[in-house]
Amino acid sequence: QKEVEQNSGPLSVPEGAIASLNCTYSDRGSQSFFWYRQYSGKSPELIMSIYSNGDKEDGRFTAQLNKASQYVSLLIRDSQPSDSATYLCAAAGRAGNKLTFGGGTRVLVKP
Amino acid sequence: GAVVSQHPSRVICKSGTSVKIECRSLDFQATTMFWYRQFPKQSLMLMATSNEGSKATYEQGVEKDKFLINHASLTLSTLTVTSAHPEDSSFYICSADTSGRAGGTDTQYFGPGTRLTVL
Repeated sequence: QKEVEQNSGPLSVPEGAIASLNCTYSDRGSQSFFWYRQYSGKSPELIMSIYSNGDKEDGRFTAQLNKASQYVSLLIRDSQPSDSATYLCAAAGRAGNKLTFGGGTRVLVKP
Repeated sequence: GAVVSQHPSRVICKSGTSVKIECRSLDFQATTMFWYRQFPKQSLMLMATSNEGSKATYEQGVEKDKFLINHASLTLSTLTVTSAHPEDSSFYICSADTSGRAGGTDTQYFGPGTRLTVL
């Protein structure tokens, strides 16, 4: 069983709409959570980090964390075609800063 | 954010040769760097954790004698793929942890990756 789970998608959203991505994790000891964006053929790029329960907003992105439900989400408002990419959810576990990645959700924003 | 570079970005080599990939943290010191491998349409797979001044910690199933890691300074880690074979062809990506930076948190920033093709 994977420790971090994501729906592989593709998640298809029209331009201007909200894209909602979900992620669950199994290790209750996880302290830090990250969303990365990865374009095809490129390396991951950090979008958001979140450490406390609740919402964290940065521009068009909002990350939500619920440790009781072991759930992390990412909302992308006013989606643009340039947001089309694979979004990776990652959790840092108890031992050091090693990240466990989910399989990624592919997002397609259609003009 | 923090800047991490990798060199080379792309390398093609013959089977049996060794390839060295460099990972540098450009604007911060990284006591910990990580090496990942990614096959097409798959997620990142952690290969090893590289700690400055000590031996790397390898993930289960990763051959330490084949993938040599050296973290000789706080800004440089190298991965050497020894006696490369076609099945080693992959996208190799490093990341550096910013926890050693003033005001930094345990955030990993990734290098641009190295695409290795073994003929």
